[in-house]
Amino acid sequence: AQSVTQLGSHVSVSEGALVLLRCNYSSSVPPYLFWYVQYPNQGLQLLLKYTSAATLVKGINGFEAEFKKSETSFHLTKPSAHMSDAAEYFCAVSETGSGYALNFGKGTSLLVTP
Amino acid sequence: GAGVSQSPRYKVAKRGQDVALRCDPISGHVSLFWYQQALGQGPEFLTYFQNEAQLDKSGLPSDRFFAERPEGSVSTLKIQRTQQEDSAVYLCASSSPGGPGTQYFGPGTRLTVL
Repeated sequence: AQSVTQLGSHVSVSEGALVLLRCNYSSSVPPYLFWYVQYPNQGLQLLLKYTSAATLVKGINGFEAEFKKSETSFHLTKPSAHMSDAAEYFCAVSETGSGYALNFGKGTSLLVTP
Repeated sequence: GAGVSQSPRYKVAKRGQDVALRCDPISGHVSLFWYQQALGQGPEFLTYFQNEAQLDKSGLPSDRFFAERPEGSVSTLKIQRTQQEDSAVYLCASSSPGGPGTQYFGPGTRLTVL
C-alpha cells in the first residue's frame, strides 16, 4: 500500500520566516500526492495536489510543494509565514483503488510565533 | 454552493449505546468517503461509496461499524455497542467521479464514548 511519512510532528517558525513541512512517500507506482490543512474544529481543506503534471505545484494561501521522485519527497513550503498559518498540516497519498481514498500522514502542527 | 455537512457535530454516548452519524455530501458528488481521526493522528480510511454502492469497506474496524448510502446521496455511519476506543472524529468527504479528484471534507462529528 502507498503511504506517506511526515517528519516532525511539531514545527515552530517566526512570523515572516520560511515554512518547510516535510513529507516523504512510499509508492511503487507514480503517486498522487496532496497537502491538506486543518484548522481547529474545522474539516480538512485542500492546499494543493500533485497528479503527475508539473512537479512544482502551487496552492492556496501562498503555499507550494515540489515533487522530487529521486528523493521520494513532496515537501510543503511558504516563503513567509503568517500568524494565520498556524494549523495542522497533513500530507496524503491517494490509493488508485478504493475510489482514490486517501492515506494520510500523522500530521505536522505548525506554530507561528510573533 | 453548500459544502459537505455532517450531523451531529458532537455526540456523547455511554459505552454500549448505538450511534448514527449523518453526512450530506456536495450535490452531484458520486463518491463518498468516511474517515476516522483519533486524537493527534491523521485521518484513516473507513469506507467508500460510489453512488449507493459500497465498493470498499476494508477500513471498518469491526462488524460493529456499518455504513449505508441508500439513495446515493446522504450517508449514515452507524456504530453499534460503542466502546471507548471508538472515541474519535468521524470525517466525511465527497468528490466527483474519476480520479484522483479533490475530496471535500465536512467538519466532522466528534464522538466521545464514556
